[in-house]
Amino acid sequence: DVKVTQSSRYLVKRTGEKVFLECVQDMDHENMFWYRQDPGLGLRLIYFSYDVKMKEKGDIPEGYSVSREKKERFSLILESASTNQTSMYLCATTSAQSYEQYFGPGTRLTVT
Amino acid sequence: ILNVEQSPQSLHVQEGDSTNFTCSFPSSNFYALHWYRWETAKSPEALFVMTLNGDEKKKGRISATLNTKEGYSYLYIKGSQPEDSATYLCAFQAGNTPLVFGKGTRLSVIA
Repeated sequence: DVKVTQSSRYLVKRTGEKVFLECVQDMDHENMFWYRQDPGLGLRLIYFSYDVKMKEKGDIPEGYSVSREKKERFSLILESASTNQTSMYLCATTSAQSYEQYFGPGTRLTVT
Repeated sequence: ILNVEQSPQSLHVQEGDSTNFTCSFPSSNFYALHWYRWETAKSPEALFVMTLNGDEKKKGRISATLNTKEGYSYLYIKGSQPEDSATYLCAFQAGNTPLVFGKGTRLSVIA
């Protein structure tokens, strides 16, 4: 079974803090994604990566950056957290040969 | 930005009722259509990936159909059970690109 883990289930941070959300997968998948989910807005893509050291902006990259130094790890960085970044963050992964996307358990981030 | 619409937004049904939801997506540049079930406090779980016009897939009491020419997919649940309560997401994939998700249909099955 594919396992996708995220560093925290719940996180509370203050406005202006730098926040790191980590995602690790154990299936040697090439593709990794970061989404946020907000009520009434569905899942929106923040950034994605198809290979190590590669990153592409999704639909809502503003205020975020990412890092992919190793194939199994994809980090989402909030350089200076703001209250409008309070959300559920989901990491997902898929292999280059497969359609199916596997999700992590999510991190519910609250910025106060 | 591609638009994926799901309807209804939410649904309440009695246990034993059958129900269905709709996903509408662009009919051009189709690659795949995905259905996920997302239960509270869990990760979204893949139900179906459909790639060919006319595809019909089934998993237990849940089935899905696909019409790529007119840009819609239906998800059917036969004899709904309380454990079917979840948000059902569809996602459209154009070419080999990231998925574009709809806002989901929230199903509540009342015992």
